[in-house]
Amino acid sequence: AQTVTQSQPEMSVQEAETVTLSCTYDTSESDYYLFWYKQPPSRQMILVIRQEAYKQQNATENRFSVNFQKAAKSFSLKISDSQLGDAAMYFCAYRTRPRGGSEKLVFGKGTKLTVNP
Amino acid sequence: NAGVTQTPKFRILKIGQSMTLQCTQDMNHNYMYWYRQDPGMGLKLIYYSVGAGITDKGEVPNGYNVSRSTTEDFPLRLELAAPSQTSVYFCASSYSQGTQETQYFGPGTRLLVL
Repeated sequence: AQTVTQSQPEMSVQEAETVTLSCTYDTSESDYYLFWYKQPPSRQMILVIRQEAYKQQNATENRFSVNFQKAAKSFSLKISDSQLGDAAMYFCAYRTRPRGGSEKLVFGKGTKLTVNP
Repeated sequence: NAGVTQTPKFRILKIGQSMTLQCTQDMNHNYMYWYRQDPGMGLKLIYYSVGAGITDKGEVPNGYNVSRSTTEDFPLRLELAAPSQTSVYFCASSYSQGTQETQYFGPGTRLLVL
């Protein structure tokens, strides 16, 4: 079974600085998707960024980027120019490519990010 | 578009009571999911549906039931509520194939069983 591990229960960063959140996963599949979701105090899950395993290029979305290392099964999230609104729980998630089945996500336990003014 | 909506936002149940958590999506997604999130944990899949009339168990289905009579609605039924079902419940939906493979989540329902 696939597992996702986030080894940092909590992280903090100064406003305008850069922070990196770690995620590792375990799978025997070669083709899959990885995601980072943000969960603010409102509890809603918001997609931050996604990465297809078959793509070598790291995904970027504005101030958010990932460092995807397939051989090491590592998928870290870098937040640049941190803003107060970035404060939230961040969840790393894994999903295999569908083969006629559903898209079942496997989540890590999350990292709580605090942004200090 | 409202996206994925869930009702109620919060509910307190007594042990042994039953209730239905409602979930509706207006994006014409054929895949829908129910997750629970316990304190300090990630989400775990309870049930999912690949289309109207088709449902299947996820990782933690015991104590729950679902139905999918329409594309839009995917209610989650709790029978004989137990304290172990105290959690936050999220409904999600997605397209089935192609490039639109991202799950869209609702705002969650917080359930407290006393």
